[in-house]
Amino acid sequence: AQSVTQLGSHVSVSEGALVLLRCNYSSSVPPYLFWYVQYPNQGLQLLLKYTTGATLVKGINGFEAEFKKSETSFHLTKPSAHMSDAAEYFCAVRTRRGNEKLTFGTGTRLTIIP
Amino acid sequence: EAEVAQSPRYKITEKSQAVAFWCDPISGHATLYWYRQILGQGPELLVQFQDESVVDDSQLPKDRFSAERLKGVDSTLKIQPAELGDSAMYLCASSSGTGTGDEQFFGPGTRLTVL
Repeated sequence: AQSVTQLGSHVSVSEGALVLLRCNYSSSVPPYLFWYVQYPNQGLQLLLKYTTGATLVKGINGFEAEFKKSETSFHLTKPSAHMSDAAEYFCAVRTRRGNEKLTFGTGTRLTIIP
Repeated sequence: EAEVAQSPRYKITEKSQAVAFWCDPISGHATLYWYRQILGQGPELLVQFQDESVVDDSQLPKDRFSAERLKGVDSTLKIQPAELGDSAMYLCASSSGTGTGDEQFFGPGTRLTVL
């Protein structure tokens, strides 16, 4: 079984400050890991994903995430927040074999303070 | 840029009525997913198709929900009868299905309100 825990359902940061959204996963086999962003009343857009290779993954809009196997974490960061980053962010995990089901966390709503 | 299309974007219905949602995946994508997203939660997979075949419908409430992808292209999700607890965003996604790490592309969703 696989699961995702996102710590903090709401995160507020000042414009220009560091963004850190936390994600921890549980998987019995090596996982694929994803971060998605969702703007109000819209579908989800992929920010970045980890499949194999380099554990520091760079995505769109200046976001990056680091896969840490020892900590079972895949935290999302951005050095400097922009007003347009205000959205809901979802971490997701998929196993590397068997069922291709994508399991999502409950999401973190990011608010940017001017 | 190719996109997943969904309609309608919004649907308001009364309980016990039937509703249907339509999804047109990105051309050539073999795998199609329907998710339900309750407000304040992450999406939950309802059903997954590989071409026209269902590969996972373990979370689909089969007493009232049905899904089909007859020609392996577009898909319809139906609820009959709708219940108050069905109010949610229904998201469709598609992927090429060529690898286990391939990206799922999401449509804009259908927001269902059951009164």
